[in-house]
Amino acid sequence: QKEVEQDPGPLSVPEGAIVSLNCTYSNSAFQYFMWYRQYSRKGPELLMYTYSSGNKEDGRFTAQVDKSSKYISLFIRDSQPSDSATYLCAMSALGSGGGADGLTFGKGTHLIIQP
Amino acid sequence: ETGVTQTPRHLVMGMTNKKSLKCEQHLGHNAMYWYKQSAKKPLELMFVYNFKEQTENNSVPSRFSPECPNSSHLFLHLHTLQPEDSALYLCASSPAVGGVYEQYFGPGTRLTVT
Repeated sequence: QKEVEQDPGPLSVPEGAIVSLNCTYSNSAFQYFMWYRQYSRKGPELLMYTYSSGNKEDGRFTAQVDKSSKYISLFIRDSQPSDSATYLCAMSALGSGGGADGLTFGKGTHLIIQP
Repeated sequence: ETGVTQTPRHLVMGMTNKKSLKCEQHLGHNAMYWYKQSAKKPLELMFVYNFKEQTENNSVPSRFSPECPNSSHLFLHLHTLQPEDSALYLCASSPAVGGVYEQYFGPGTRLTVT
């Protein structure tokens, strides 16, 4: 079983729709959850960052974490064509400086917003 | 220059060549990372440096050799690569190592091994 599962898509929705992107994970030690957006030929750009369970809102974006279900979501309201990109979920445990302190990523979901 | 920069942006090399990738961060961070991004696969962590010291080598073949001369610069030296090493190589930095710190990525170097 992979540590982080994410549907690669593509997910195609009309402009203005609410988009729901999701990841599931298996490692219960994960405490920090991030969403990155990656445009074609660019590096990933940090969108949202949450700790433990709960919701976090930033403009049109809402991140949700349900640790009991090992499930995280990113919602995009009033989606725009400029939101078309690949969305990567990433997560990590509380690092102590030893071991792997990088992030564990999902494969990314390719999102297309149709004008 | 701001953020994390990487050079070159594109690189084509033969299997017998030696080349180096360069990363520079202008964020005052102390930790730097190399990741590999292949098509249809998750980003794979390769190396982690904290205050210029390597803290993680994620079972990377020896044909990839990292170097971190200071907290702002990170290199990845490449030699006798294989075609399956063709990928996007991403550098990232964070204030320090540890899951609590957000990582900021550069634009990547698109490597093609012929």
